[in-house]
Amino acid sequence: QKEVEQNSGPLSVPEGAIASLNCTYSDRGSQSFFWYRQYSGKSPELIMFIYSNGDKEDGRFTAQLNKASQYVSLLIRDSQPSDSATYLCAVVTGNQFYFGTGTSLTVIP
Amino acid sequence: DTGVSQDPRHKITKRGQNVTFRCDPISEHNRLYWYRQTLGQGPEFLTYFQNEAQLEKSRLLSDRFSAERPKGSFSTLEIQRTEQGDSAMYLCAGGQGNQPQHFGDGTRLSIL
Repeated sequence: QKEVEQNSGPLSVPEGAIASLNCTYSDRGSQSFFWYRQYSGKSPELIMFIYSNGDKEDGRFTAQLNKASQYVSLLIRDSQPSDSATYLCAVVTGNQFYFGTGTSLTVIP
Repeated sequence: DTGVSQDPRHKITKRGQNVTFRCDPISEHNRLYWYRQTLGQGPEFLTYFQNEAQLEKSRLLSDRFSAERPKGSFSTLEIQRTEQGDSAMYLCAGGQGNQPQHFGDGTRLSIL
């Protein structure tokens, strides 16, 4: 079983819609959770991080964490074509960062 | 700009040659991680340093790979006797403790 699972997509949403990206993790002891955006040919760029159960909002982005269900999600409101990228979920267990394979998002103008 | 720089950006070499990559994090980054990423996959952990100490190394990492961080600042990753399967993007990330990591632009390695 992989440490971090993501639906690879592709996920397509129309411009202005809400994009919902999901991630599950296997280790209940995981303590920190991150979302990175990666454009094709570029390195990952940090978007959000969350440590406690509940929601955390930053501009158009909301991260949601449910440790009981071992589930973390990212919502992107008012999606823009520039949001088209691969979104990587990362989970810290011990001192290691485990990354999912990423979900490809396309925002259609 | 994350402040993490990697050199070179691209490296093309023949199979069997040795290659070395460099990563320069910012001074506040007491932790430094190396990852490998291939197309369609997430970054795969290779090794990490806490200051100058190499604390963990992936079981997937063969003995052809070695990394150093001699003074707790910059780090180097060397691959000896390169193979076709080593072709990938090699990413370096810096951070403090379990705080978010910030990636450099990566070094793309192509093995001919």
